[in-house]
Amino acid sequence: DVVMTQSPLSLPVTLGQPASISCRSSQSLVYSDGNTYLNWFQQRPGQSPRRLIYKVSNRDSGVPDRFSGSGSGTDFTLKISRVEAEDVGVYYCMQGTHWPPKLTFGGGTKVEIK
Amino acid sequence: QVTLRESGPALVKPTQTLTLTCTFSGFSLSTSGMCVSWIRQPPGKALEWLALIDWDDDKYYSTSLKTRLTISKDTSKNQVVLTMTNMDPVDTATYYCARSLCGDSEDFDYWGQGTLVTVSS
Repeated sequence: DVVMTQSPLSLPVTLGQPASISCRSSQSLVYSDGNTYLNWFQQRPGQSPRRLIYKVSNRDSGVPDRFSGSGSGTDFTLKISRVEAEDVGVYYCMQGTHWPPKLTFGGGTKVEIK
Repeated sequence: QVTLRESGPALVKPTQTLTLTCTFSGFSLSTSGMCVSWIRQPPGKALEWLALIDWDDDKYYSTSLKTRLTISKDTSKNQVVLTMTNMDPVDTATYYCARSLCGDSEDFDYWGQGTLVTVSS
C-alpha cells in the first residue's frame, strides 16, 4: 500500500505570515495517463473535510487564491501565502493514483495561530 | 446543489453490525462516472477511506476491513448503505460519506456532515 507522510504534525503560524505543509508518498503518484492524483483537504474544528486542491495544483471553486499546491512524483507541498484566522484546522493530503485498491490519506497537519 | 447526509445509530454494542445510510441529492448514482465513498475518522485521528461504490455497481473496499464491510446503493432513493460487522470499540469514529467524480478521477468533492458512532457495551 502507498503510505502518505505529512510534515510537520503541528504548524504554529503568525497571522499574515506564510505556511507550508509537506506531503510525501512512498511511491510515485504519476498515473499511466500522465496525471498525478494528489489532493489536499482542510478540516476546520468541528467541521467535515473540504477539498481545497485536486490533481496537485488545481484549486476548487471558492478556495481563496492564498492556497496553492505544487510538487511532483513523490513530494508535494501545500502553501498558504498569508495565514488568516479562518485557516486554523487540520490539513490532509490524499492520493488517488494507486486505485484500486486504496485511497490513502496522510496523517494530517494541524495549523494553529501563534 | 449537491448535498449528502449520513444517518444511523449513535451507539452500537461490541460484536453488533452497524448499518449506515448516506442520503444524497443534486446528483444521481446512475450517471456514468459518479461514485460515493465512506470514510471514517476516530476522535482526534486521521481520515481513513473504507469503501466506494460506482454508477455501474462496482464495489471497492479497504483491504484491511474488506471482510467486515458491505456497500450497496438504492438509486431510486438516492441512498448508499454501508454495513460493518463485528463492531469493536476501536471502530468508534465519525463516519462520512463523500462523492467522487470517478470518471474524471476527482475524489471527494462533496462531503456529508458526518455521524458519530460509539461502540460500547
